Amino acid sequence: NAGVTQTPKFQVLKTGQSMTLQCAQDMNHNSMYWYRQDPGMGLRLIYYSASEGTTDKGEVPNGYNVSRLNKREFSLRLESAAPSQTSVYFCASSDAGTGGRGEQFFGPGTRLTVL
Amino acid sequence: GENVEQHPSTLSVQEGDSAVIKCTYSDSASNYFPWYKQELGKRPQLIIDIRSNVGEKKDQRIAVTLNKTAKHFSLHITETQPEDSAVYFCAAWMDSSYKLIFGSGTRLLVRP
Repeated sequence: NAGVTQTPKFQVLKTGQSMTLQCAQDMNHNSMYWYRQDPGMGLRLIYYSASEGTTDKGEVPNGYNVSRLNKREFSLRLESAAPSQTSVYFCASSDAGTGGRGEQFFGPGTRLTVL
Repeated sequence: GENVEQHPSTLSVQEGDSAVIKCTYSDSASNYFPWYKQELGKRPQLIIDIRSNVGEKKDQRIAVTLNKTAKHFSLHITETQPEDSAVYFCAAWMDSSYKLIFGSGTRLLVRP
């Protein structure tokens, strides 16, 4: 079991460029999440998908879009990157969508720098 | 709105001493409270959790207590070791929203 995987590990963008962060899990979890982590601010929820076919906004959704491609994959897209989006991005999954609360399993993270 | 406050932001203890991290939450509907440990450059990993029908839970050197009336919960680490040095996050879960709300983190340093 690979658990939760993310690509890429590192990325540098110029302001205005777009990119998609990929996330996949092999634990058959229903729920998937995207967080960003900035120094001193903990983990802030960007978007989440409680189950396949649904997505909802979290605390900081502006400037992002998501796609729940299938049960395994949940991608995060930055349409026009801004320096304020420089952060470490974590994807996570859990079985919460089945009605349980469940542990969230995190991917290794993507370190994004926007110049 | 939903909010989790965590204190202190940094904590330095001598090896062998105890460490206590405290969190308060705003939504009384919260019913699951996990704690995550994040080592430098790594992903957060669950170390212990507690559900709302329990007041205390212990796992070896770590324990969590929950006071639902006061809406606060705490992480206790006894006999601290240098490998306990990390950032610790508390979180609160709400069934109604399928979201975990995280505290801002506590950087724990255990001095040898």
